Amino acid sequence: DGGITQSPKYLFRKEGQNVTLSCEQNLNHDAMYWYRQDPGQGLRLIYYSQIVNDFQKGDIAEGYSVSREKKESFPLTVTSAQKNPTAFYLCASTPIGGLSNQPQHFGDGTRLSIL
Amino acid sequence: DQQVKQNSPSLSVQEGRISILNCDYTNSMFDYFLWYKKYPAEGPTFLISISSIKDKNEDGRFTVFLNKSAKHLSLHIVPSQPGDSAVYFCAAVNYGGATNKLIFGTGTLLAVQP
Repeated sequence: DGGITQSPKYLFRKEGQNVTLSCEQNLNHDAMYWYRQDPGQGLRLIYYSQIVNDFQKGDIAEGYSVSREKKESFPLTVTSAQKNPTAFYLCASTPIGGLSNQPQHFGDGTRLSIL
Repeated sequence: DQQVKQNSPSLSVQEGRISILNCDYTNSMFDYFLWYKKYPAEGPTFLISISSIKDKNEDGRFTVFLNKSAKHLSLHIVPSQPGDSAVYFCAAVNYGGATNKLIFGTGTLLAVQP
């Protein structure tokens, strides 16, 4: 059954710690994305990647880092530099990066909370 | 600056009636629009889309209308069902860049009352 798997579903972090959120897809999609959702706000793009070993900053990349060593994996690290990390994080993918009207498919998200 | 706006944070409708969710945008370069539905603690799921070359797209109970001159689109659900209760996000895409980067609205919570 193809899809996007985000783990864990809930994550707690102490202040000053880095934490990595997992995103894996078995859809053979080229492009992957990380969004953050805050109450009363839409989804905001953190980072995206169109091909392996390449990624670009989104609108709110500060305090985050990513890697794309494999096509199916796009982990997001929330660093201690991110001042307000508590949020719902969503990973998405599309079949083709670049010009495409393929809708993005989303995982079920990870809720990150600061202890 | 919010390029995609959903000015109604919530909407309540009776089962069987029509639900109309609205979305406004400011960037005339947007050329493709999507609606996503989201249940609590889950990721959004794609619902319906429309290209800027069209003014209407229909899929079952869901119809999206686009008014480019007004920079406005709306999602109509008829008849509404209790299972439609969710947050609906409008999103727009600008293919001027090298990726299908989505710009999302803030969402509208739809409650369909039985």
